[in-house]
Amino acid sequence: AQKVTQAQTEISVVEKEDVTLDCVYETRDTTYYLFWYKQPPSGELVFLIRRNSFDEQNEISGRYSWNFQKSTSSFNFTITASQVVDSAVYFCALSEAVQGAQKLVFGQGTRLTINP
Amino acid sequence: EAGVTQFPSHSVIEKGQTVTLRCDPISGHDNLYWYRRVMGKEIKFLLHFVKESKQDESGMPNNRFLAERTGGTYSTLKVQPAELEDSGVYFCASSQDQGLGDDNEQFFGPGTRLTVL
Repeated sequence: AQKVTQAQTEISVVEKEDVTLDCVYETRDTTYYLFWYKQPPSGELVFLIRRNSFDEQNEISGRYSWNFQKSTSSFNFTITASQVVDSAVYFCALSEAVQGAQKLVFGQGTRLTINP
Repeated sequence: EAGVTQFPSHSVIEKGQTVTLRCDPISGHDNLYWYRRVMGKEIKFLLHFVKESKQDESGMPNNRFLAERTGGTYSTLKVQPAELEDSGVYFCASSQDQGLGDDNEQFFGPGTRLTVL
């Protein structure tokens, strides 16, 4: 069965610090996708990134970067020079392909607080 | 283009009452998903519609939960009778395609926060 673990329940840092959110996953599938979503105080889940299991290249998007390592089953997310607006709950998720559908399996979420 | 919308945003009901949550997916999206997050735990899959058909309802917790998507447009999730453990945030998502292709990104709504007293 698929499982996603975000061991960090809450993280609090001072603005401009770098912060890494950890995500470890378990799956028997050879083909799968990994995701990160952001949930700001307004409540909706905002898509940040999707990475397929065959692409281990790290990705950078502005202050955000993702490190995918199949050897350790991890898909960590780093925010560089954090800002107060980055404060949110962040969810890591794994897709589970069942009968052609894409059912997402989420981690418990990490609440990130950026203090001014 | 409007995103996924959910109504109501908040609902407070007493144990034993009935509540119906509504989700309007993005226009043209055949796939509609329901998820919920209970008591600060992980977000869990409930079920998946393809148009009006239930593709996968393996996550539905019990028969107190009934989901419908008549006409393949909006969907409702009814909880009857509601129990204390049903409290949480119910999310709806929609996608254009299913499977592991590149057009299968799920767009989430803002969620409905349900409190059962």
